[in-house]
Amino acid sequence: DGGITQSPKYLFRKEGQNVTLSCEQNLNHDAMYWYRQDPGQGLRLIYYSQIVNDFQKGDIAEGYSVSREKKESFPLTVTSAQKNPTAFYLCASSINSGETEQYFGPGTRLTVT
Amino acid sequence: GQSLEQPSEVTAVEGAIVQINCTYQTSGFYGLSWYQQHDGGAPTFLSYNGLDGLEETGRFSSFLSRSDSYGYLLLQELQMKDSASYFCAVPNQAGTALIFGKGTTLSVSS
Repeated sequence: DGGITQSPKYLFRKEGQNVTLSCEQNLNHDAMYWYRQDPGQGLRLIYYSQIVNDFQKGDIAEGYSVSREKKESFPLTVTSAQKNPTAFYLCASSINSGETEQYFGPGTRLTVT
Repeated sequence: GQSLEQPSEVTAVEGAIVQINCTYQTSGFYGLSWYQQHDGGAPTFLSYNGLDGLEETGRFSSFLSRSDSYGYLLLQELQMKDSASYFCAVPNQAGTALIFGKGTTLSVSS
């Protein structure tokens, strides 16, 4: 079955630690995205990648980093510089960048204490 | 910049019809999309309007008026399972990613 996987579902970290969230897709999509979701805030774009070895900052990139070494994988690192890292993180992909239909993974709920 | 406005909450009863509005401000326009997200779940694509008018997909329809920078999602014959958050979205200025509204939480009661 084709789709997007994110792991783990729940993640707990201590303040000051970097943490990497996994996102893998087997849809053969070129574009991948990371969103952050907070209550009442909708989905805010962190980073996106249009193609392998390329990525662009979204609206709230500060304190985050990404890599796109493989078409299937787009990991997100939440660094200690992110002031409020506790949130629900969603990864998505689409055939091309800017496609109106994106496919989302199940999300990772990160709690930092 | 780009922004989207939609109501934060809507309530309705089973079998009713509900309309969720979305107004947008964009420097360029490539169309309006709608997504559904159940609590704790992943958003799923519902519909897209690139041109003015109504698009129908089963119980759900979506409408766009580009001259008014306005669209809506119409849900008919509401069911309990329709209780979810609904997001409108537009492509960013470069047309390379989507910008989402803050979402409308729909609660359907019996």
